[in-house]
Amino acid sequence: QKEVEQDPGPLSVPEGAIVSLNCTYSNSAFQYFMWYRQYSRKGPELLMYTYSSGNKEDGRFTAQVDKSSKYISLFIRDSQPSDSATYLCAIITGGSYIPTFGRGTSLIVHP
Amino acid sequence: GAGVSQTPSNKVTEKGKYVELRCDPISGHTALYWYRQSLGQGPEFLIYFQGTGAADDSGLPNDRFFAVRPEGSVSTLKIQRTERGDSAVYLCASSLTDGNTDTQYFGPGTRLTVL
Repeated sequence: QKEVEQDPGPLSVPEGAIVSLNCTYSNSAFQYFMWYRQYSRKGPELLMYTYSSGNKEDGRFTAQVDKSSKYISLFIRDSQPSDSATYLCAIITGGSYIPTFGRGTSLIVHP
Repeated sequence: GAGVSQTPSNKVTEKGKYVELRCDPISGHTALYWYRQSLGQGPEFLIYFQGTGAADDSGLPNDRFFAVRPEGSVSTLKIQRTERGDSAVYLCASSLTDGNTDTQYFGPGTRLTVL
């Protein structure tokens, strides 16, 4: 079992839909949680970062962490075709600096 | 430019050859990271530099892989006796310091194909 599990998709939604992307993890020592967006043939770009259970909002994006269930989510409201990309969750243990990435979920938002 | 740059963008080589991949981090960033991303997978950590020294090379898969950062800026990832299984996108990232809350900024990657 991988430390971070993520469904690869693809997830296809119509423009304007609410998108839910999820990861599960196995190591309770994980303390820092991140979401990256990666466009085709580009490097990952940090979208959201949080270290506590609960919700964190930034514009159309909301990151949610449930440490008791070892489950993290990214919600995208009013999705746009420009949101079409691969979304990677990444998690860091306390005291470390190296993220462990999920395999990424491919999102397609069609007009 | 202000971002992390990597050269070449694509490299095709034959099995058994030696390759060098270059990373130019954001100016002033002391921490530099190399990752490898295989098709359909997330990036996997290879090695991390703080300044000129390799602070953590635990992700290097074997002794065919080596990286240097002699002046604390540009880094080169070197792969000897390449194998087909080395084919992947090699990503470089830099951050201002090595704190676990510091944002890592990624370059576009070098796509390595070993024939």
